[in-house]
Amino acid sequence: GQNIDQPTEMTATEGAIVQINCTYQTSGFNGLFWYQQHAGEAPTFLSYNVLDGLEEKGRFSSFLSRSKGYSYLLLKELQMKDSASYLCAVMDSNYQLIWGAGTKLIIKP
Amino acid sequence: IAGITQAPTSQILAAGRRMTLRCTQDMRHNAMYWYRQDLGLGLRLIHYSNTAGTTGKGEVPDGYSVSRANTDDFPLTLASAVPSQTSVYFCASSPVPREGQFFGPGTRLTVL
Repeated sequence: GQNIDQPTEMTATEGAIVQINCTYQTSGFNGLFWYQQHAGEAPTFLSYNVLDGLEEKGRFSSFLSRSKGYSYLLLKELQMKDSASYLCAVMDSNYQLIWGAGTKLIIKP
Repeated sequence: IAGITQAPTSQILAAGRRMTLRCTQDMRHNAMYWYRQDLGLGLRLIHYSNTAGTTGKGEVPDGYSVSRANTDDFPLTLASAVPSQTSVYFCASSPVPREGQFFGPGTRLTVL
């Protein structure tokens, strides 16, 4: 079967760094996405990885290891506005997205 | 319109009633999707359309139908609503798969 696992909730301090992990088992792989979703709002695109390695985009970076079925999202210099859910999604062999349940990130001052 | 819109924003519906959720995009994206999002679960694909005139079933299609008469519109119909269809429904569109999906603001549906 297809499975995406990520922690349910994490807490971090403003100004710190946090790493959100995602492991996956899917039928085929055509890339991994990270989305951010604030409470009551729609998900918004953060990053896309299809090759192994680290992709950096400002304060956010995303890493992929296809051999390990593993990705992480790294958030640096945390701000209060980063409090949100972070969704990991894998594109399968049919180019459909399989979604994890999301990680709720709580930022404390 | 800028992007993707959904209507209504929220709705309370009696069980057994028919309901159509509307979705319109002005980005000329070929692919469109309908998801439901329930607490503690990931987004689950209901139906999708890779291009105007074609549709396909996702992970949880039962009780739902869609049509794609043109590029811009992708309505989702609940023929006879049941309480288990209480959820937040998101419509999304995509130009090409690797560019990800762009989401509408969602419709919060409650079936009593």
